[in-house]
Amino acid sequence: EVQLVESGGGLVQPGRSLKLSCAASGFTFSNYYMAWVRQAPKKGLEWVATISTSGSRTYYPDSVKGRFTISRDNAKSSLYLQMNSLKSEDTATYYCARDTMGITTAYYFDYWGQGVMVTVSS
Amino acid sequence: DIQMTQSPSSLPASLGERVTISCRASQGISNNLNWYQQKPDGTIKPLIYYTSNLQSGVPSRFSGSGSGTDYSLTISSLEPEDFAMYYCQQDASFPRTFGGGTKLELK
Repeated sequence: EVQLVESGGGLVQPGRSLKLSCAASGFTFSNYYMAWVRQAPKKGLEWVATISTSGSRTYYPDSVKGRFTISRDNAKSSLYLQMNSLKSEDTATYYCARDTMGITTAYYFDYWGQGVMVTVSS
Repeated sequence: DIQMTQSPSSLPASLGERVTISCRASQGISNNLNWYQQKPDGTIKPLIYYTSNLQSGVPSRFSGSGSGTDYSLTISSLEPEDFAMYYCQQDASFPRTFGGGTKLELK
């Protein structure tokens, strides 16, 4: 059974940093692209980052490019999101998701974690 | 960026009813359209990928269709567990974008 478990969320002041982790199990982690998707309170979903199987390629929307860094450790089956220069608008639940990019020609997020809350406030 | 517009934003419906949710892209997305369901506890799962392909384990009462800029998700006969939020998402180009969501509510 595929499981994705996020951790590392919490309350952080504007301008500070936070690192999220996602522990994966139930599949061969190194064979899959992985992603982060967030959801601000009472709002819709926003894709935040995707990383290739080796970690050599990363993708971000403009809203987080230059501030957020996605990375992975295939030996530990773990995904990370380093978030710097945090803003109040980064307040959201952050979901770790398995990404079908690199596996099929139909890209989508086929498994999701339960999410971890990040609150940016002074 | 490709903007995704879902309608309606709220959909009251009854058990057993057939419902359709629409999703319009700001430009053609060549069938690269996916649908997700989010339950009140936050759990998210994919329902349909690449317009009309049913994700493994998803009941056959769910179906998807569309082309170009216009897509839809249909639930043929509503069950109690179907009352949730639904999101469309395009994967034709970066950044990958989602629709604003449709809340399917019990009438």
